[in-house]
Amino acid sequence: QQPVQSPQAVILREGEDAVINCSSSKALYSVHWYRQKHGEAPVFLMILLKGGEQKGHEKISASFNEKKQQSSLYLTASQLSYSGTYFCGTADNYGQNFVFGPGTRLSVLP
Amino acid sequence: EAQVTQNPRYLITVTGKKLTVTCSQNMNHEYMSWYRQDPGLGLRQIYYSMNVEVTDKGDVPEGYKVSRKEKRNFPLILESPSPNQTSLYFCASSTGTGRYEQYFGPGTRLTVT
Repeated sequence: QQPVQSPQAVILREGEDAVINCSSSKALYSVHWYRQKHGEAPVFLMILLKGGEQKGHEKISASFNEKKQQSSLYLTASQLSYSGTYFCGTADNYGQNFVFGPGTRLSVLP
Repeated sequence: EAQVTQNPRYLITVTGKKLTVTCSQNMNHEYMSWYRQDPGLGLRQIYYSMNVEVTDKGDVPEGYKVSRKEKRNFPLILESPSPNQTSLYFCASSTGTGRYEQYFGPGTRLTVT
């Protein structure tokens, strides 16, 4: 099952903060976050693993609540370059069956 | 340079005419995957491969075939394309599933008329 993302879209002014949420109905091994700019391929941002390990971007942070099967991506002091569509992806408790969410479109205005 | 390449980047074809989209990676990755992207639906997995000669269905495999005869290549085959396969296709590769990031190719925009 595809994870659920919220909000579907968000518009910010430069310097404002945003939170994007991702939730799954299944027990998870990991949550991945990617950003895609229009007309381009998705680019890796972060991985959050069961047990607390994280890998990824220095300026973007995220959390992973294993018990609730939820993750949140925190974009602070947003820059124009943060605009794009953000996808979470989840792997099940065995590290298999990877599936992406539908995406959250983020627009940062000057 | 580490990369995933796809060809062609753009393709317009007619219903029923067999086509192949190639995908190649130079990172010695074991895991490769094909996704299709449609507005509002995100990236949906078509097929994936854990290693040479090992492939498995993703969420939307109907109408597609794949093969993995070499570690670096993972072609996507549409034996008889239909208009509902018009989409943007991405190939991706990774060291493995679960704990490793995926590297995406530039995408192939396919139109079936």
